[in-house]
Amino acid sequence: AQTVTQSQPEMSVQEAETVTLSCTYDTSESDYYLFWYKQPPSRQMILVIRQEAYKQQNATENRFSVNFQKAAKSFSLKISDSQLGDAAMYFCAYRSLLFTGNQFYFGTGTSLTVIP
Amino acid sequence: DAGVIQSPRHEVTEMGQEVTLRCKPISGHDYLFWYRQTMMRGLELLIYFNNNVPIDDSGMPEDRFSAKMPNASFSTLKIQPSEPRDSAVYFCASWGSSYNSPLHFGNGTRLTVT
Repeated sequence: AQTVTQSQPEMSVQEAETVTLSCTYDTSESDYYLFWYKQPPSRQMILVIRQEAYKQQNATENRFSVNFQKAAKSFSLKISDSQLGDAAMYFCAYRSLLFTGNQFYFGTGTSLTVIP
Repeated sequence: DAGVIQSPRHEVTEMGQEVTLRCKPISGHDYLFWYRQTMMRGLELLIYFNNNVPIDDSGMPEDRFSAKMPNASFSTLKIQPSEPRDSAVYFCASWGSSYNSPLHFGNGTRLTVT
């Protein structure tokens, strides 16, 4: 099974600053999808951004962008102009395109604190 | 679209009691997943269904756990008998088989077994 590693259990950032959350994954596949989910204290899981492995261009959604390094199997999330509402757990997820059951594999999460 | 709907939002029960968690996936989604989230183990996949058929239940912790999907719009996760170590947040999620489609999660059920 694929593994997803988030090596930073906790991160903090000053409001209005930029923070990068790291994610690496292990796979032998050439095509797949990657996602970042946000889980605020309300515990709702919210999709932040997605990336298709065959696309070289990094995905961007407003203040959120990714740095996708396929060869390094790295998928970091950059949050620019951090806001208090960005405080949450962030989960990196991988989905295989092979017919292995279409499972989603999740990292253990990074807890982000935003300091006013 | 109402999204994935889970009930109840919170459940407190005593050890030994039966607990049933419910989920209504997004209409048209043919995959349904049950996850358990704890501080120690993070987000664990318990079981998932495709077209109402259980595909992989290898994540179900033990025989006390069972899941059913009698039709495309309803699934249950049952724990009988419940134990304090089952205390966790249980998420249901659905997926519509589109390549770049993400998982859509419900709001979860926080289960506390005393």
